[in-house]
Amino acid sequence: EPEVTQTPSHQVTQMGQEVILRCVPISNHLYFYWYRQILGQKVEFLVSFYNNEISEKSEIFDDQFSVERPDGSNFTLKIRSTKLEDSAMYFCASRSYEQFFGPGTRLTVL
Amino acid sequence: GQQVMQIPQYQHVQEGEDFTTYCNSSTTLSNIQWYKQRPGGHPVFLIQLVKSGEVKKQKRLTFQFGEAKKNSSLHITATQTTDVGTYFCGYGGSQGNLIFGKGTKLSVKP
Repeated sequence: EPEVTQTPSHQVTQMGQEVILRCVPISNHLYFYWYRQILGQKVEFLVSFYNNEISEKSEIFDDQFSVERPDGSNFTLKIRSTKLEDSAMYFCASRSYEQFFGPGTRLTVL
Repeated sequence: GQQVMQIPQYQHVQEGEDFTTYCNSSTTLSNIQWYKQRPGGHPVFLIQLVKSGEVKKQKRLTFQFGEAKKNSSLHITATQTTDVGTYFCGYGGSQGNLIFGKGTKLSVKP
């Protein structure tokens, strides 16, 4: 069964550093998403991406965040200057009908 | 934006007991989706409801969408230990992005 993959599974970084989280969506899907989940809390929408551009973003997705689809398979989330409060699980998802979530990247900002 | 409220936040049941979680919105929803997240896992799609008064069943799971499309419920009959996890309701935005409730965390005592 096709699945969304994410790397790395765990990223530890120092406050102020840039991080890039990587995702490979399911190959025939056209809609891609990033979500985050702070420990013990709900899953929060960050951004949706369609046709090589951002189609929707939440108020969480400020100028520190950017997304890119650098080639035909990868979908990345960049956080320019990480803050302590960026520590969370970041999920990538892709969609045809329902959304398929990847296993997540746990980001720890020290 | 629209929000969905879920109750209860936690539910502890004895294996074999039934379980119900409720999802409520102050405004009419175009759709409601249910996801399950196992401990340490990622959200997994269960079902989408779009029609007023819709009822769908998946084995021991029964999903309902209210007549006014402002509330929904997920009922599990005769819970098993494999049902443990957090159940999220959410609705799909214009780009398919999901806005989730806070979830109901179900624990099942064997």
